Amino acid sequence: EPEVTQTPSHQVTQMGQEVILRCVPISNHLYFYWYRQILGQKVEFLVSFYNNEISEKSEIFDDQFSVERPDGSNFTLKIRSTKLEDSAMYFCASSDNDRRRFFGPGTRLTVL
Amino acid sequence: DQQVKQNSPSLSVQEGRISILNCDYTNSMFDYFLWYKKYPAEGPTFLISISSIKDKNEDGRFTVFLNKSAKHLSLHIVPSQPGDSAVYFCAASRGGATNKLIFGTGTLLAVQP
Repeated sequence: EPEVTQTPSHQVTQMGQEVILRCVPISNHLYFYWYRQILGQKVEFLVSFYNNEISEKSEIFDDQFSVERPDGSNFTLKIRSTKLEDSAMYFCASSDNDRRRFFGPGTRLTVL
Repeated sequence: DQQVKQNSPSLSVQEGRISILNCDYTNSMFDYFLWYKKYPAEGPTFLISISSIKDKNEDGRFTVFLNKSAKHLSLHIVPSQPGDSAVYFCAASRGGATNKLIFGTGTLLAVQP
């Protein structure tokens, strides 16, 4: 069964450094998303992406965040200058037109 | 943002019995609801969904019921199995596939052998 994959599974970085989290969505899906979950908190929406542009973004998704679909298979989330509070599990998801979102296994980001 | 609430942080049931997980929402504009299962350090796994034009959707052991007037949905798992032990999240959205999901806080289900 097709699935969303994410790399790396765990990323440790120093505060102020840039990180890029990578995702390969399900191949025939058209809608892509990033969510995150800070330890002990809810899963929170960050951004949705369709037709090579951002469709919706949350207040969390400020100028430090960007997304890109550099080729036909990858979908990336970049955090330009990481803060301690960016430490979380980051989940990529994808969907086709039926509105079910399928999530990847997540990347644990630890900012020191 | 408390638009989606799961008021029971945990639930324990015996193997073979029914598990009922509940979820309430406040935004009447939500028109699509989903249930996810999540193990620690893994991503949410899609279980079942329901559109607001329906009041019930069934898939194997999983049934979701939607009561729009009460703004309430529930997930029934029958029969419960030990492998069902996980955190269950309900989520809601409105509009199309580009729109965000709003998640509840989750219910930890423990199925006792």
